[in-house]
Amino acid sequence: ILNVEQSPQSLHVQEGDSTNFTCSFPSSNFYALHWYRWETAKSPEALFVMTLNGDEKKKGRISATLNTKEGYSYLYIKGSQPEDSATYLCAPKGGGSNYKLTFGKGTLLTVNP
Amino acid sequence: DAMVIQNPRYQVTQFGKPVTLSCSQTLNHNVMYWYQQKSSQAPKLLFHYYDKDFNNEADTPDNFQSRRPNTSFCFLDIRSPGLGDAAMYLCATSNRVGTYEQYFGPGTRLTVT
Repeated sequence: ILNVEQSPQSLHVQEGDSTNFTCSFPSSNFYALHWYRWETAKSPEALFVMTLNGDEKKKGRISATLNTKEGYSYLYIKGSQPEDSATYLCAPKGGGSNYKLTFGKGTLLTVNP
Repeated sequence: DAMVIQNPRYQVTQFGKPVTLSCSQTLNHNVMYWYQQKSSQAPKLLFHYYDKDFNNEADTPDNFQSRRPNTSFCFLDIRSPGLGDAAMYLCATSNRVGTYEQYFGPGTRLTVT
Protein backbone atom coordinates (compact mmCIF):
# COMPACT_ATOMS: atom_id res chain seq x y z
CA ILE A 1 0.00 0.00 0.00
CA LEU A 2 1.45 3.37 -1.05
CA ASN A 3 1.48 6.23 1.46
CA VAL A 4 0.09 9.25 -0.39
CA GLU A 5 -0.06 12.64 1.28
CA GLN A 6 -1.80 15.71 -0.10
CA SER A 7 -1.52 19.19 1.34
CA PRO A 8 -3.20 21.34 2.23
CA GLN A 9 -6.37 19.43 3.07
CA SER A 10 -8.48 22.45 2.11
CA LEU A 11 -7.88 25.86 0.67
CA HIS A 12 -9.97 29.01 0.23
CA VAL A 13 -8.83 31.59 -2.32
CA GLN A 14 -10.30 34.64 -3.97
CA GLU A 15 -11.20 34.72 -7.62
CA GLY A 16 -8.13 35.71 -9.60
CA ASP A 17 -5.63 34.32 -7.07
CA SER A 18 -3.09 31.76 -8.19
CA THR A 19 -2.64 28.73 -6.00
CA ASN A 20 -0.80 25.45 -5.76
CA PHE A 21 -0.91 22.25 -3.76
CA THR A 22 1.23 19.21 -3.22
CA CYS A 23 1.09 15.46 -3.58
CA SER A 24 3.81 13.37 -1.90
CA PHE A 25 4.35 9.68 -2.59
CA PRO A 26 7.04 7.00 -2.22
CA SER A 27 9.74 7.53 -4.83
CA SER A 28 10.65 3.85 -5.08
CA ASN A 29 8.99 1.66 -7.70
CA PHE A 30 7.26 4.61 -9.35
CA TYR A 31 5.31 4.11 -12.57
CA ALA A 32 2.87 6.99 -13.06
CA LEU A 33 1.14 9.82 -11.22
CA HIS A 34 -2.49 10.74 -11.91
CA TRP A 35 -4.29 13.96 -11.02
CA TYR A 36 -8.08 14.05 -10.90
CA ARG A 37 -10.55 16.88 -10.37
CA TRP A 38 -13.79 16.01 -8.56
CA GLU A 39 -16.53 18.60 -8.62
CA THR A 40 -19.50 18.20 -6.31
CA ALA A 41 -22.22 15.94 -7.77
CA LYS A 42 -20.07 15.03 -10.77
CA SER A 43 -17.69 12.22 -11.72
CA PRO A 44 -14.01 12.53 -10.87
CA GLU A 45 -12.33 13.68 -14.07
CA ALA A 46 -8.77 12.94 -15.13
CA LEU A 47 -6.58 16.03 -15.44
CA PHE A 48 -3.09 14.68 -16.04
CA VAL A 49 -1.11 11.47 -16.17
CA MET A 50 2.61 11.97 -15.65
CA THR A 51 5.35 9.40 -15.90
CA LEU A 52 8.75 11.03 -16.37
CA ASN A 53 10.85 12.87 -13.81
CA GLY A 54 10.72 16.56 -14.62
CA ASP A 55 7.47 16.20 -16.57
CA GLU A 56 5.34 19.30 -16.78
CA LYS A 57 1.78 19.18 -18.11
CA LYS A 58 -0.62 22.02 -18.78
CA LYS A 59 -4.33 22.28 -19.48
CA GLY A 60 -5.56 25.85 -19.75
CA ARG A 61 -4.83 27.60 -16.44
CA ILE A 62 -3.90 24.36 -14.67
CA SER A 63 -0.44 22.85 -14.76
CA ALA A 64 1.42 20.14 -12.90
CA THR A 65 5.02 19.15 -12.32
CA LEU A 66 6.55 15.86 -11.28
CA ASN A 67 9.65 14.94 -9.30
CA THR A 68 9.94 11.17 -9.14
CA LYS A 69 13.34 11.17 -7.40
CA GLU A 70 12.03 12.95 -4.32
CA GLY A 71 8.47 11.75 -4.66
CA TYR A 72 6.28 14.80 -5.15
CA SER A 73 4.07 16.56 -7.63
CA TYR A 74 2.72 20.11 -7.60
CA LEU A 75 -0.55 21.25 -9.13
CA TYR A 76 -0.80 24.94 -10.01
CA ILE A 77 -3.89 26.95 -10.87
CA LYS A 78 -3.31 30.38 -12.33
CA GLY A 79 -6.00 33.02 -11.89
CA SER A 80 -8.46 30.81 -10.02
CA GLN A 81 -12.12 30.98 -11.05
CA PRO A 82 -15.19 29.84 -9.07
CA GLU A 83 -15.60 26.92 -11.50
CA ASP A 84 -12.21 25.62 -10.34
CA SER A 85 -13.79 24.82 -6.97
CA ALA A 86 -13.43 21.07 -6.54
CA THR A 87 -11.48 18.38 -4.74
CA TYR A 88 -8.18 17.63 -6.46
CA LEU A 89 -7.02 14.05 -5.99
CA CYS A 90 -3.65 12.61 -6.81
CA ALA A 91 -3.03 8.92 -7.33
CA PRO A 92 0.38 7.39 -7.91
CA LYS A 93 0.75 4.01 -9.46
CA GLY A 94 3.62 1.73 -8.56
CA GLY A 95 5.29 -0.70 -10.89
CA GLY A 96 4.05 -4.21 -11.34
CA SER A 97 1.30 -5.84 -13.28
CA ASN A 98 -1.68 -4.76 -11.21
CA TYR A 99 -4.15 -2.14 -12.33
CA LYS A 100 -4.55 -0.26 -9.08
CA LEU A 101 -4.12 3.39 -8.19
CA THR A 102 -3.71 4.59 -4.60
CA PHE A 103 -5.52 7.86 -3.97
CA GLY A 104 -4.67 10.64 -1.57
CA LYS A 105 -7.36 12.31 0.53
CA GLY A 106 -7.42 15.24 -1.85
CA THR A 107 -7.22 19.00 -1.55
CA LEU A 108 -10.60 20.76 -1.40
CA LEU A 109 -10.32 24.08 -3.23
CA THR A 110 -12.96 26.75 -2.81
CA VAL A 111 -12.70 29.85 -5.00
CA ASN A 112 -14.75 32.77 -3.71
CA PRO A 113 -16.14 35.24 -6.27
CA ASP B 1 -20.70 9.95 -25.27
CA ALA B 2 -19.04 6.86 -23.89
CA MET B 3 -19.31 6.90 -20.16
CA VAL B 4 -19.63 5.20 -16.79
CA ILE B 5 -23.12 5.21 -15.31
CA GLN B 6 -24.07 4.49 -11.72
CA ASN B 7 -27.55 3.85 -10.41
CA PRO B 8 -29.03 5.01 -8.25
CA ARG B 9 -27.27 8.27 -7.40
CA TYR B 10 -28.69 8.19 -3.87
CA GLN B 11 -29.65 5.06 -2.00
CA VAL B 12 -31.17 4.78 1.44
CA THR B 13 -31.28 1.39 3.11
CA GLN B 14 -32.05 0.09 6.57
CA PHE B 15 -29.53 -1.39 8.93
CA GLY B 16 -29.05 -5.03 7.94
CA LYS B 17 -31.14 -4.86 4.77
CA PRO B 18 -29.22 -6.06 1.68
CA VAL B 19 -28.60 -3.47 -0.97
CA THR B 20 -27.17 -3.59 -4.50
CA LEU B 21 -25.49 -0.75 -6.33
CA SER B 22 -25.01 -0.94 -10.07
CA CYS B 23 -22.49 0.33 -12.56
CA SER B 24 -22.45 0.15 -16.34
CA GLN B 25 -19.95 1.33 -18.93
CA THR B 26 -19.96 1.98 -22.65
CA LEU B 27 -16.16 2.22 -22.89
CA ASN B 28 -15.62 -1.51 -23.37
CA HIS B 29 -12.83 -1.42 -20.79
CA ASN B 30 -11.41 -4.64 -19.39
CA VAL B 31 -11.01 -3.45 -15.82
CA MET B 32 -13.76 -2.29 -13.47
CA TYR B 33 -13.26 -1.03 -9.92
CA TRP B 34 -15.35 -0.30 -6.86
CA TYR B 35 -14.20 2.33 -4.37
CA GLN B 36 -15.64 3.41 -1.04
CA GLN B 37 -15.12 7.01 -0.02
CA LYS B 38 -16.04 8.38 3.38
CA SER B 39 -16.05 12.04 4.22
CA SER B 40 -12.59 13.67 4.04
CA GLN B 41 -10.98 10.30 3.34
CA ALA B 42 -9.21 8.95 0.28
CA PRO B 43 -11.24 6.73 -2.05
CA LYS B 44 -10.52 3.21 -0.84
CA LEU B 45 -10.38 0.38 -3.36
CA LEU B 46 -12.71 -2.48 -2.40
CA PHE B 47 -12.12 -4.79 -5.36
CA HIS B 48 -11.59 -4.84 -9.09
CA TYR B 49 -12.25 -7.09 -12.03
CA TYR B 50 -9.91 -7.71 -14.88
CA ASP B 51 -12.38 -9.18 -17.35
CA LYS B 52 -14.02 -11.90 -15.22
CA ASP B 53 -11.04 -12.24 -12.92
CA PHE B 54 -12.10 -10.94 -9.49
CA ASN B 55 -9.51 -9.29 -7.22
CA ASN B 56 -10.48 -8.57 -3.65
CA GLU B 57 -8.49 -6.18 -1.46
CA ALA B 58 -7.23 -7.90 1.68
CA ASP B 59 -9.04 -5.50 4.02
CA THR B 60 -12.41 -5.48 2.22
CA PRO B 61 -15.02 -6.82 4.65
CA ASP B 62 -16.81 -10.05 3.74
CA ASN B 63 -20.04 -8.08 3.90
CA PHE B 64 -19.13 -6.65 0.49
CA GLN B 65 -19.50 -8.77 -2.63
CA SER B 66 -19.37 -8.02 -6.33
CA ARG B 67 -20.63 -9.50 -9.57
CA ARG B 68 -19.67 -8.80 -13.15
CA PRO B 69 -22.06 -10.69 -15.44
CA ASN B 70 -20.61 -9.18 -18.61
CA THR B 71 -18.11 -6.54 -19.79
CA SER B 72 -20.58 -3.69 -19.42
CA PHE B 73 -22.05 -4.25 -15.96
CA CYS B 74 -20.70 -4.59 -12.47
CA PHE B 75 -22.64 -4.76 -9.19
CA LEU B 76 -21.73 -4.10 -5.60
CA ASP B 77 -23.75 -6.10 -3.07
CA ILE B 78 -23.71 -5.19 0.60
CA ARG B 79 -25.22 -8.14 2.40
CA SER B 80 -25.94 -6.61 5.79
CA PRO B 81 -25.24 -2.89 5.77
CA GLY B 82 -24.10 -1.32 9.00
CA LEU B 83 -24.07 2.34 9.94
CA GLY B 84 -20.35 2.40 9.15
CA ASP B 85 -21.04 1.47 5.54
CA ALA B 86 -22.65 4.83 4.81
CA ALA B 87 -20.39 6.38 2.20
CA MET B 88 -19.98 7.40 -1.42
CA TYR B 89 -19.41 4.39 -3.66
CA LEU B 90 -17.53 5.06 -6.88
CA CYS B 91 -17.28 2.79 -9.89
CA ALA B 92 -14.43 3.22 -12.35
CA THR B 93 -13.07 1.54 -15.46
CA SER B 94 -9.73 1.39 -17.23
CA ASN B 95 -7.95 -0.31 -20.06
CA ARG B 96 -5.46 -3.01 -19.21
CA VAL B 97 -2.54 -1.25 -20.87
CA GLY B 98 -0.93 2.17 -20.90
CA THR B 99 -1.08 4.48 -17.93
CA TYR B 100 -4.17 2.86 -16.37
CA GLU B 101 -6.13 6.11 -16.42
CA GLN B 102 -9.43 5.47 -14.70
CA TYR B 103 -12.81 6.74 -15.82
CA PHE B 104 -15.29 7.30 -13.05
CA GLY B 105 -19.02 7.29 -12.63
CA PRO B 106 -20.68 10.01 -10.53
CA GLY B 107 -20.99 7.72 -7.53
CA THR B 108 -23.83 6.43 -5.38
CA ARG B 109 -24.33 8.06 -1.98
CA LEU B 110 -25.45 5.35 0.43
CA THR B 111 -27.27 6.22 3.62
CA VAL B 112 -27.95 3.55 6.25
CA THR B 113 -30.75 4.24 8.71
